[in-house]
Amino acid sequence: QKEVEQNSGPLSVPEGAIASLNCTYSDRGSQSFFWYRQYSGKSPELIMSIYSNGDKEDGRFTAQLNKASQYVSLLIRDSQPSDSATYLCAVNMGSGNTPLVFGKGTRLSVIA
Amino acid sequence: DAGITQSPRHKVTETGTPVTLRCHQTENHRYMYWYRQDPGHGLRLIHYSYGVKDTDKGEVSDGYSVSRSKTEDFLLTLESATSSQTSVYFCAISYQMGSGNTIYFGEGSWLTVV
Repeated sequence: QKEVEQNSGPLSVPEGAIASLNCTYSDRGSQSFFWYRQYSGKSPELIMSIYSNGDKEDGRFTAQLNKASQYVSLLIRDSQPSDSATYLCAVNMGSGNTPLVFGKGTRLSVIA
Repeated sequence: DAGITQSPRHKVTETGTPVTLRCHQTENHRYMYWYRQDPGHGLRLIHYSYGVKDTDKGEVSDGYSVSRSKTEDFLLTLESATSSQTSVYFCAISYQMGSGNTIYFGEGSWLTVV
């Protein structure tokens, strides 16, 4: 069974703090990893992708990948109330256009 | 904007009736997907298509069929709707990005089966 696991939360952080979201996956051969943000009643939107071990930064977001541990994380620096949403981890467990497998999401609440 | 339009956006239907959801894309992408999203289950793949008349089943395909007679349209049909098919349905298309691909979602179709 190909699985992506996330803590459902809610994760509550104060405004300005760093939010850390974590994800593990079952398929050791997975190559592509993505983070989506989903506001209530809206569709998921892609915010980060990562393909290689290490860190990838984009503005206030940093994705971290450790393939040996089968672990992906997303850090949000200087968290804002507008970051309050559900964050979905998605993994391509095949090649090319293999459908992504999604975690159930972590709900983040940033408290002003 | 990934150029995806889903219709209808909201629908209430009765148990046992057939329902068709439409996904329309304007950018000629080969790969298209239908996911459903439910509390406690997250996003689950129903069916996907890798070209005109080429489709395959996903994790939760029972009770659903799909058709893709032209590149721009991917139809999801519930042959006889049941209450367990009350859900939000998302269509998605695949983009090549860097060394891999990712997907972009349409706005969703909210379906209630009563």
